[in-house]
Amino acid sequence: RKEVEQDPGPFNVPEGATVAFNCTYSNSASQSFFWYRQDCRKEPKLLMSVYSSGNEDGRFTAQLNRASQYISLLIRDSKLSDSATYLCVVPLRFYNQGGKLIFGQGTELSVKP
Amino acid sequence: DTAVSQTPKYLVTQMGNDKSIKCEQNLGHDTMYWYKQDSKKFLKIMFSYNNKELIINETVPNRFSPKSPDKAHLNLHINSLELGDSAVYFCASSPRLAGGPLYNEQFFGPGTRLTVL
Repeated sequence: RKEVEQDPGPFNVPEGATVAFNCTYSNSASQSFFWYRQDCRKEPKLLMSVYSSGNEDGRFTAQLNRASQYISLLIRDSKLSDSATYLCVVPLRFYNQGGKLIFGQGTELSVKP
Repeated sequence: DTAVSQTPKYLVTQMGNDKSIKCEQNLGHDTMYWYKQDSKKFLKIMFSYNNKELIINETVPNRFSPKSPDKAHLNLHINSLELGDSAVYFCASSPRLAGGPLYNEQFFGPGTRLTVL
């Protein structure tokens, strides 16, 4: 299994749709996870952190299933402005790993009118 | 009041040249990073520095040499540029080095798009 693997994209959805992305990770010792968003030709920006079973922020919900080693991101009522690439990120936890983040390959979302 | 800034934004150069990319953060963070994002959009860490000390040095050719004159700056010098070095290079910073179960958000600069001809 790859260190971090995401659903292949692109996802093309109409405005108002609900869309979910999945991400699997290989290191069972990982305890915290991130979803980053990257707009076309821009830098990645943190969208959500997941430390326990899940996190909700408005239309966005992140869930963690430790037993199956996967994280999901649910976007409700999609907006045109949600169009971006969503990156699943798993940090390595030890000091000598120096804050290393492992990025998934990203899932591209395109929301159409 | 840019948090993490990089210069230049675009860099077009010939194979064999030597070039530098500069990064500065005004967030007071201890830790800084260099990432490479290739044409397939994979983001991979290259280096991390904590308080000017090199912590991560991934399997990167030694043509790449980072330099941190102080904890607010992390520059990347590349010697003898090759076609395969073409990519977007992102600098990032975080408040401190990850060392426990909770990790700090990494803030990314706008990226430097390097094209080697």
